[in-house]
Amino acid sequence: KNEVEQSPQNLTAQEGEFITINCSYSVGISALHWLQQHPGGGIVSLFMLSSGKKKHGRLIATINIQEKHSSLHITASHPRDSAVYICAVPPNFGNEKLTFGTGTRLTIIP
Amino acid sequence: EPEVTQTPSHQVTQMGQEVILRCVPISNHLYFYWYRQILGQKVEFLVSFYNNEISEKSEIFDDQFSVERPDGSNFTLKIRSTKLEDSAMYFCASSEGAGGVNSPLHFGNGTRLTVT
Repeated sequence: KNEVEQSPQNLTAQEGEFITINCSYSVGISALHWLQQHPGGGIVSLFMLSSGKKKHGRLIATINIQEKHSSLHITASHPRDSAVYICAVPPNFGNEKLTFGTGTRLTIIP
Repeated sequence: EPEVTQTPSHQVTQMGQEVILRCVPISNHLYFYWYRQILGQKVEFLVSFYNNEISEKSEIFDDQFSVERPDGSNFTLKIRSTKLEDSAMYFCASSEGAGGVNSPLHFGNGTRLTVT
């Protein structure tokens, strides 16, 4: 079983601040997922990454496979970024089902 | 952009009743999933489905649960005799390749099931 830990659990920041959310996992994997859960409950996939770094707009995700750690960064944060950000990993290499972290609740204040 | 659609958005049922939650995955996707989220808790895997059969299921997915792809477009989750603890948000997801490892998952907006 892959244990997933996210930090911080809650994060409040001012608009424009640089945001970092961290995720650690216990068992080696082939890919890690970052997802965003909106206040209404819907889930959107942000990134799937297996090495290095990916960027999409103001979002950047990095992963260090050796250290079993990933970070999600948001540059120039905006109130519309307020959501729960969730890290999810498969239990081991080659397995489909995902184990989800508890999520980081991000609130951006105007 | 194509999306996964789920119906209904909210279902209220009495304990012991059967419910069917419906999903229309993205049309060219081959892998289908059900996840659930009890209020205030983590999202949990229920079942994955590929090539018209269950490929993996969790301990939660007991004999009360079943999945079906009755035609080329729908993917359903049936709970035979609902319990209070089945109250949760149920998410359907689909992916082009194996979702944990090869392809990102596309989620529906969820069905909130309330068992009274």
